[in-house]
Amino acid sequence: AQKITQTQPGMFVQEKEAVTLDCTYDTSDQSYGLFWYKQPSSGEMIFLIYQGSYDEQNATEGRYSLNFQKARKSANLVISASQLGDSAMYFCAMRDGGSYIPTFGRGTSLIVHP
Amino acid sequence: DAGVIQSPRHEVTEMGQEVTLRCKPISGHNSLFWYRQTMMRGLELLIYFNNNVPIDDSGMPEDRFSAKMPNASFSTLKIQPSEPRDSAVYFCASSSPAGNNSPLHFGNGTRLTVT
Repeated sequence: AQKITQTQPGMFVQEKEAVTLDCTYDTSDQSYGLFWYKQPSSGEMIFLIYQGSYDEQNATEGRYSLNFQKARKSANLVISASQLGDSAMYFCAMRDGGSYIPTFGRGTSLIVHP
Repeated sequence: DAGVIQSPRHEVTEMGQEVTLRCKPISGHNSLFWYRQTMMRGLELLIYFNNNVPIDDSGMPEDRFSAKMPNASFSTLKIQPSEPRDSAVYFCASSSPAGNNSPLHFGNGTRLTVT
């Protein structure tokens, strides 16, 4: 069963605008971690941000923030003030307490227009 | 601080040949993962090691694939014999001793092309 769902295969945003990339997850565990990764066209996978299931505050890392809605099982990535260099694939992932093996979504392709 | 190091970056080989991919995890990380990425199937977990022991190899496609981790600083993924459908980007990733709050740190990947 798919644990991570990213429903937006592609997104477009104007430079300097904010954009939200959606991620929903499914787990029966109470303890789990949610992660976002960026994969630019050069191919490397870059860790962006982490949210723990017990964290009361939404995680933030610079221009990245995670809109965590536990009851809805969603962990959307918000990128503020988009830059051309933000154009990339973005993957949502989860590690839950069952096996600690991360599960990745299919990714969202973000293109930032000048 | 060196990240996860994979070699080679690119590998082109003919069908039937043996391919060996190498990975050096971040020092101190005790979990190591091999993933395969294709357009069709996305990121697939092949195998997961914890403290050098294979914990989950259910993602290994078939007997042609094998992985080893002889020590904490080195792992290999071998394909023998290789087939064109094995063409993909293979990532190695490691994470620190912890539960579900440790991010994976990925190597730059090996782009494998089997002709």
